[in-house]
Amino acid sequence: NAGVMQNPRHLVRRRGQEARLRCSPMKGHSHVYWYRQLPEEGLKFMVYLQKENIIDESGMPKERFSAEFPKEGPSILRIQQVVRGDSAAYFCASSPLDRGSTLHFGNGTRLTVT
Amino acid sequence: DQQVKQNSPSLSVQEGRISILNCDYTNSMFDYFLWYKKYPAEGPTFLISISSIKDKNEDGRFTVFLNKSAKHLSLHIVPSQPGDSAVYFCAASARGSQGNLIFGKGTKLSVKP
Repeated sequence: NAGVMQNPRHLVRRRGQEARLRCSPMKGHSHVYWYRQLPEEGLKFMVYLQKENIIDESGMPKERFSAEFPKEGPSILRIQQVVRGDSAAYFCASSPLDRGSTLHFGNGTRLTVT
Repeated sequence: DQQVKQNSPSLSVQEGRISILNCDYTNSMFDYFLWYKKYPAEGPTFLISISSIKDKNEDGRFTVFLNKSAKHLSLHIVPSQPGDSAVYFCAASARGSQGNLIFGKGTKLSVKP
């Protein structure tokens, strides 16, 4: 019973390149969430998606960041034209249907922008 | 403006004793609170939660207490074990904000043998 799978675990990009982070939710989970953790900080909510729908993107930066959760395949967090300030750990979480459900987190992708 | 605050960055406790981790919040709309535990290079792992209609929830060695009037919650671990050494995050959510958890900055717990 695999948990939330994120890849890659580590990603190095030069300034101006694109970063793509992938997340496969736990089996049976239809809700995906992306969080970002900057050094010495707590996790910050970015976006909540269900299959083919963005439900809440209130935590997403307005530019360069986008997320999708297609009908088939993993959820993708895409960062265009990365800058040094994007360096962080990006965590994906999933949950089953109802609101009271606990979020189950993956082990994260550590993005380093050089 | 931090809505969830964990004012102690670190805590050191002797094995077998009680660990008490504290968390304060400012948003009175929060109605669900969670504690997550995180080891280095891993994602947060859910530990225990409490709804605002309760003031205590217990699960084995872990108990969470909620004081709504003080906007304060605490996690008690007893007895503490070396394997409990990790960073503990307090998180809160408000009704209508599915999955939008507001996290504190964490408290690093060290349990010494």
